Amino acid sequence: GAVVSQHPSRVICKSGTSVKIECRSLDFQATTMFWYRQFPKQSLMLMATSNEGSKATYEQGVEKDKFLINHASLTLSTLTVTSAHPEDSSFYICSARAQGVAAEAFFGQGTRLTVV
Amino acid sequence: GIQVEQSPPDLILQEGANSTLRCNFSDSVNNLQWFHQNPWGQLINLFYIPSGTKQNGRLSATTVATERYSLLYISSSQTTDSGVYFCAASTGANSKLTFGKGITLSVRP
Repeated sequence: GAVVSQHPSRVICKSGTSVKIECRSLDFQATTMFWYRQFPKQSLMLMATSNEGSKATYEQGVEKDKFLINHASLTLSTLTVTSAHPEDSSFYICSARAQGVAAEAFFGQGTRLTVV
Repeated sequence: GIQVEQSPPDLILQEGANSTLRCNFSDSVNNLQWFHQNPWGQLINLFYIPSGTKQNGRLSATTVATERYSLLYISSSQTTDSGVYFCAASTGANSKLTFGKGITLSVRP
């Protein structure tokens, strides 16, 4: 299957600082990538859809100014958590599809963010 | 949007037993996938199965699109099968995958 790489896998930051998470499709081009958040013992909740060369589409209730998404190339999307606070601590996972809206989705390894 | 429900929420098995995990969805789907989330959080793709039946070793899956459900079968379960199993689906031109709440499987030796 296709490979999606996410970095870093784990990050601890101080409250008020910003953190950038990278998501790369290693062996295919992805015009669309997705960012999810998962709290302990819960399911994955979609935060936003990242579109190459255009603005991201955010789900209802997700602050676009706090979670900045950039999809500058067909293989890279980044999520920046700005002015992080302890309540932003969570597991963030990205996803990409090789082609087509119904194609199989592949997921990165996830990033565990802890804000202290 | 589409609703995805999984059952049962928790399942405890003795090693060697078989099990069936169910996923119901509320709309016609163009994508349905089963995942296993390992202890480190990685989502492992098990099946891409918007319709039909597939098998991979001890695992198999069936999706009956007209009746809006999918089943994941695990045969001769092993302790390494433990973890959370997610079903996710998308519909129409909306390519976003919606996840069910997951099924926590514990296989005891």
